[in-house]
Amino acid sequence: DTGVSQDPRHKITKRGQNVTFRCDPISEHNRLYWYRQTLGQGPEFLTYFQNEAQLEKSRLLSDRFSAERPKGSFSTLEIQRTEQGDSAMYLCASSGATGSISYEQYFGPGTRLTVT
Amino acid sequence: AQSVSQHNHHVILSEAASLELGCNYSYGGTVNLFWYVQYPGQHLQLLLKYFSGDPLVKGIKGFEAEFIKSKFSFNLRKPSVQWSDTAEYFCAVLRGDYKLSFGAGTTVTVRA
Repeated sequence: DTGVSQDPRHKITKRGQNVTFRCDPISEHNRLYWYRQTLGQGPEFLTYFQNEAQLEKSRLLSDRFSAERPKGSFSTLEIQRTEQGDSAMYLCASSGATGSISYEQYFGPGTRLTVT
Repeated sequence: AQSVSQHNHHVILSEAASLELGCNYSYGGTVNLFWYVQYPGQHLQLLLKYFSGDPLVKGIKGFEAEFIKSKFSFNLRKPSVQWSDTAEYFCAVLRGDYKLSFGAGTTVTVRA
């Protein structure tokens, strides 16, 4: 399978704990995106990388959230001191970098986070 | 506030019925528009896209969408649905060249 993969698929954690999610994009894609989706809503943009550079962060991404893409390949999203409001599906997407192919984002299966 | 609005939260149809899902957006200027679909237990998949040119675009599985610039709309249609079209459908607008803004989604249930 050469699509976007995410790990883990499900994570249950207690409030106050730290969690880290991983995303592996489609291999030839150099843009990578993180979105968050809550029940009954569409995905909301969190941040995006072009290669290893993080080029934009949404206001939704508080100081407790940090995303990295150290070698321009996989990315991690860490949430520190989790809160119940962080419970959501975290989606990763990737795309090519230039021309119209950069507009087509391909999504992974998501990581469902439940904070108890 | 700039947004993407999907008119229906849940649509229930019988097989062979026609489907039309409304989508309106409030962004000015040039937009790139998408419909994504999420089948039960699967991830979001691109159904069709509009970048420029013919405002009537065709996607996979017999779906089509029409971009009407004057109405800021990008409605999705399928003449005859099948049970396998049961899914959640999301309209999305690309802001700039990287940020997708999604509507809240429409759940479509097709009864056999």
